[in-house]
Amino acid sequence: GDSVTQMEGPVTLSEEAFLTINCTYTATGYPSLFWYVQYPGEGLQLLLKATKADDKGSNKGFEATYRKETTSFHLEKGSVQVSDSAVYFCALGNTNAGKSTFGDGTTLTVKP
Amino acid sequence: GAVVSQHPSRVICKSGTSVKIECRSLDFQATTMFWYRQFPKQSLMLMATSNEGSKATYEQGVEKDKFLINHASLTLSTLTVTSAHPEDSSFYICSASAGGANVLTFGAGSRLTVL
Repeated sequence: GDSVTQMEGPVTLSEEAFLTINCTYTATGYPSLFWYVQYPGEGLQLLLKATKADDKGSNKGFEATYRKETTSFHLEKGSVQVSDSAVYFCALGNTNAGKSTFGDGTTLTVKP
Repeated sequence: GAVVSQHPSRVICKSGTSVKIECRSLDFQATTMFWYRQFPKQSLMLMATSNEGSKATYEQGVEKDKFLINHASLTLSTLTVTSAHPEDSSFYICSASAGGANVLTFGAGSRLTVL
C-alpha cells in the first residue's frame, strides 16, 4: 500500500538558517503530494502541493519538488523564522476519494 | 478559500459520559469527510471516512460502537465518543476535500479530556 516516510525530528535551527525536511513515498500510480503544517494547538493547514512529476510547489518561502525518479518531495526554505516553528507533515493523495496518507510529522523549532 | 469549522475546540467530560464533536464545511459541500485522532507528538491516525447519507467506513482497529459517526447533510459530520474513558483523551481532527487533486481542508481540532 501507499506509505510516506519523513525525516525524524525534532529539528532545531537558528533564525535565518536553511531548512530541509526529507520526505520519500511509496505509491502505485501517480499520486499528488502535499506538505501540511500544524501550529501548536491547531489543526493542519495546507502549505504547498504538487500534482505531477517535476512540479514545484511553493508558499511562504517554502518549496518542494515532486521527484518521481527518487520518489521524494523534500521541503526546503532558505531562511527560517521563529514563526515557522511547527510540525510539518508530508502526505500523498492517491484516490479521488480524498483519502491521504501522512508521514509521522517533523517538529521544527526555530530559535532567535 | 474552503473552510472547515470544528466544534467544540476543547471539551472536558467525566468518565462514562458521551461527547459529540461537530465538523462543518462552511462554504462548500462535502460528500466525504475524514476523522483523525492525534496523540501528543504523534502523527494523525485516520479513524474513519464519513460518507453523506450512508454508513461511515472505519479503519481497522477502530471501534464503530465507541466512535459513532453521522453525516446527515452535505455540510455536517459528527463524531460521538460514547461512554468516554480517560484513554479516549486525545486531539480529534476532521477534514474534507473541497477541490481537486485530493487537497484536504482541516478543522482546527477538538481536544477531549476525559476525567
